[in-house]
Amino acid sequence: ETGVTQTPRHLVMGMTNKKSLKCEQHLGHNAMYWYKQSAKKPLELMFVYSLEERVENNSVPSRFSPECPNSSHLFLHLHTLQPEDSALYLCASSLAYRGGYGYTFGSGTRLTVV
Amino acid sequence: GQQLNQSPQSMFIQEGEDVSMNCTSSSIFNTWLWYKQDPGEGPVLLIALYKAGELTSNGRLTAQFGITRKDSFLNISASIPSDVGIYFCAGPSNTGNQFYFGTGTSLTVIP
Repeated sequence: ETGVTQTPRHLVMGMTNKKSLKCEQHLGHNAMYWYKQSAKKPLELMFVYSLEERVENNSVPSRFSPECPNSSHLFLHLHTLQPEDSALYLCASSLAYRGGYGYTFGSGTRLTVV
Repeated sequence: GQQLNQSPQSMFIQEGEDVSMNCTSSSIFNTWLWYKQDPGEGPVLLIALYKAGELTSNGRLTAQFGITRKDSFLNISASIPSDVGIYFCAGPSNTGNQFYFGTGTSLTVIP
């Protein structure tokens, strides 16, 4: 399978639950990203991994915990979320972290926190 | 972070009409990207621009890199129902370590 694949596509979780979002890319890219997309707001960069090392953490609350075990996989672990965390979470990858390379996005996980 | 302003915020047009939208930045960019997001999907790259004044086409889509390097334009000719979606512009930070995205232009095509 090619491109960027995200699972699950939809997730409903309670505020006390723990869940994980998964992202997988088979493009040979070296950088991977987590973005949050809320209604009527620009895409918000959350985390960046380059060659499996976290290089950006844009003041994201600790209830979001990323993990990048290898250059093809990226996870976002979620725990004790708030209703305002409900959003579309997008994973993206690019050839390299710097250099202005365009991103390839996954289809996203629609998260609802109840 | 950098703010990119897109206009219009939303458009409702008849099938067959042409569409124009733009994106402006307060600072200079050396790259402009245009993405389209279908409902329930992630954004997909449509066109990339790398030089001031550059005009690039992708089928019925044409994008231009503004001469001032602070703006970019996207035109869609002879719109069809599958053009429905949200169109985002994006430009890189000074260090090139991330892209900033605009707020999007939502396009609705009425058959």
